[in-house]
Amino acid sequence: QKEVEQNSGPLSVPEGAIASLNCTYSDRVSQSFFWYRQYSGKSPELIMSIYSNGDKEDGRFTAQLNKASQYVSLLIRDSQPSDSATYLCAVTGSARQLTFGSGTQLTVLP
Amino acid sequence: EAGVTQSPTHLIKTRGQQVTLRCSPISGHTSVYWYQQALGLGLQFLLWYDEGEERNRGNFPPRFSGRQFPNYSSELNVNALELEDSALYLCASSLLTGGETQYFGPGTRLLVL
Repeated sequence: QKEVEQNSGPLSVPEGAIASLNCTYSDRVSQSFFWYRQYSGKSPELIMSIYSNGDKEDGRFTAQLNKASQYVSLLIRDSQPSDSATYLCAVTGSARQLTFGSGTQLTVLP
Repeated sequence: EAGVTQSPTHLIKTRGQQVTLRCSPISGHTSVYWYQQALGLGLQFLLWYDEGEERNRGNFPPRFSGRQFPNYSSELNVNALELEDSALYLCASSLLTGGETQYFGPGTRLLVL
């Protein structure tokens, strides 16, 4: 079983719609959770971090964490073509390094 | 504030050669992490350095090694290059205390022929 799993996609949404990206993790001691965006050929760029259960909002982005279900999600409201990228879910546990999911490729259609 | 920097941006080597990649963290960050992103394999953790010490390493052979200097910059060395070492090598930095968020540099793209 992979430690961090993401819906593999690809995911396509029309411009202005809500994009929903999901991630589950297997290590119950996981402590910190991150969403990164990676454009093709570029390095990952941090979008959101979340540490406690509930929702965290930053502009058009909302991260949701449910530790009991070992589930973290990212909602992108009013999706724009510039949001088209691969979204990486990452988790840290007792060790500080990030464990990444395989990523979900999002395409926002104009 | 300058972000994480890496050099070189691109590199072409042949099998059996050795390569050194360099990383400078964000000012004030003491932890440096190295990751490998090979095509189709996702981002894999390689090494973590803090305060000049190797704190953890991922599931990679010993020919992957590195070090961290007193100014917190870091080198990643790969000996006896193999074709499957072709990848984007990413460096990230973070504060050790009070924060775990890692910020990535632009990466070094290595091609082994």
